[in-house]
Amino acid sequence: GENVEQHPSTLSVQEGDSAVIKCTYSDSASNYFPWYKQELGKRPQLIIDIRSNVGEKKDQRIAVTLNKTAKHFSLHITETQPEDSAVYFCAIGGGKSTFGDGTTLTVKP
Amino acid sequence: NAGVMQNPRHLVRRRGQEARLRCSPMKGHSHVYWYRQLPEEGLKFMVYLQKENIIDESGMPKERFSAEFPKEGPSILRIQQVVRGDSAAYFCASSPHRDSTENTIYFGEGSWLTVV
Repeated sequence: GENVEQHPSTLSVQEGDSAVIKCTYSDSASNYFPWYKQELGKRPQLIIDIRSNVGEKKDQRIAVTLNKTAKHFSLHITETQPEDSAVYFCAIGGGKSTFGDGTTLTVKP
Repeated sequence: NAGVMQNPRHLVRRRGQEARLRCSPMKGHSHVYWYRQLPEEGLKFMVYLQKENIIDESGMPKERFSAEFPKEGPSILRIQQVVRGDSAAYFCASSPHRDSTENTIYFGEGSWLTVV
């Protein structure tokens, strides 16, 4: 089945710095790659997604890049703020998705 | 337009009891997915249902777990004879289209099950 590896598991940055989280996957048939933000005790919220016909997508301070040849995709958060602190999950596919194990991001004021 | 509704939000059960978790998809959505999130872990797919049909239950434990999505009413995830290892957050998600690898899904707020 599909396998997703997410790195790093924890990430601490100073407010205003950038944060990058990377995921690698094994199934070359995947065409949809969402990223979720989950705050403690809350549901995963979709923050950005990318489909395989696009190499990069940006939404304000958040961007995702996809390299299908190398089978990896990354989340980039610029000008981080304390409210960005949360657990971030990458996933492969929609509907029946395979999730990474998560990255705990801490933004220090 | 209400989102995916789950209840109860929190449920405490003693070992050996039954837990029933309910999920109403977003209006206009007919496809429901259940995921389980163990403490400090990612989400794991359990089951995909349409009205009156189980489409994919490859992630469901073989024993004690069952799911349904009747013609009328919410989808129900049922756990019989709960054990401490069943303690987790159970998330329901829905989508408007038949399952594909590119569907965006929308999560409910989750049901937190604690087995004591």
